[in-house]
Amino acid sequence: QVQLVQSGAEVKKPGASVKVSCKASGYTFTGYDMHWVRQAPGQGLEWVGWINPNSGGTNYAQKFQGRVTMTADTSINTAYMELSRLRSDDTAVYSCARGVGATSAFDYWGQGTLVTVSS
Amino acid sequence: SYELTQPPSVSVSPGQTASITCSGDKLGDKYACWFQQKPGQSPVLVIYQDTKRPSGIPERFSGSNSGNTATLTISGTQAMDEADYYCQAWDSSSVVFGGGTKLTVL
Repeated sequence: QVQLVQSGAEVKKPGASVKVSCKASGYTFTGYDMHWVRQAPGQGLEWVGWINPNSGGTNYAQKFQGRVTMTADTSINTAYMELSRLRSDDTAVYSCARGVGATSAFDYWGQGTLVTVSS
Repeated sequence: SYELTQPPSVSVSPGQTASITCSGDKLGDKYACWFQQKPGQSPVLVIYQDTKRPSGIPERFSGSNSGNTATLTISGTQAMDEADYYCQAWDSSSVVFGGGTKLTVL
């Protein structure tokens, strides 16, 4: 069965960087895009960007360009999202989600990783 | 930037039909998806490509998309359907989410 298992919660200081991992199993990792979505406490869903694990191609939401880097290690079926120059308003649950089909619908999601930015 | 607008809340009585709308400029020219999210849980895809249901999603969930509005319809709403619902679409190679609608079953 398809599973996306993310790394554990992180606490970071403003200005620092965080790297969240998402280990995929139960399907061909290189056959699907991987998206990252975040949700601040009590707020809605916000798309961060996606990566094509096969080609390494990425597309980031304009809001995060210059601060986010998405990578994938196909040898261990794991995707990563690194966010730099963290601010307090980056405090959120960050989730990976598999994109399937021509419209890249998000059919499987990771359990989410809480990133807390606090001095 | 492209925006999707949803009503903050919708209420429905058990067994009745709930409709949640999602509005965006020429949204009908794009594909819309819908997600259900219960407290403390990850979102679940309930509708994709406007009208398709993933495996395991009950038939009471249906979708439509035309003009500027996509609609999620839940027929015979059950207490277990109480959740937040988000619409989503693609615009210029970027993903956009609606602000979310809290569905209350009372």
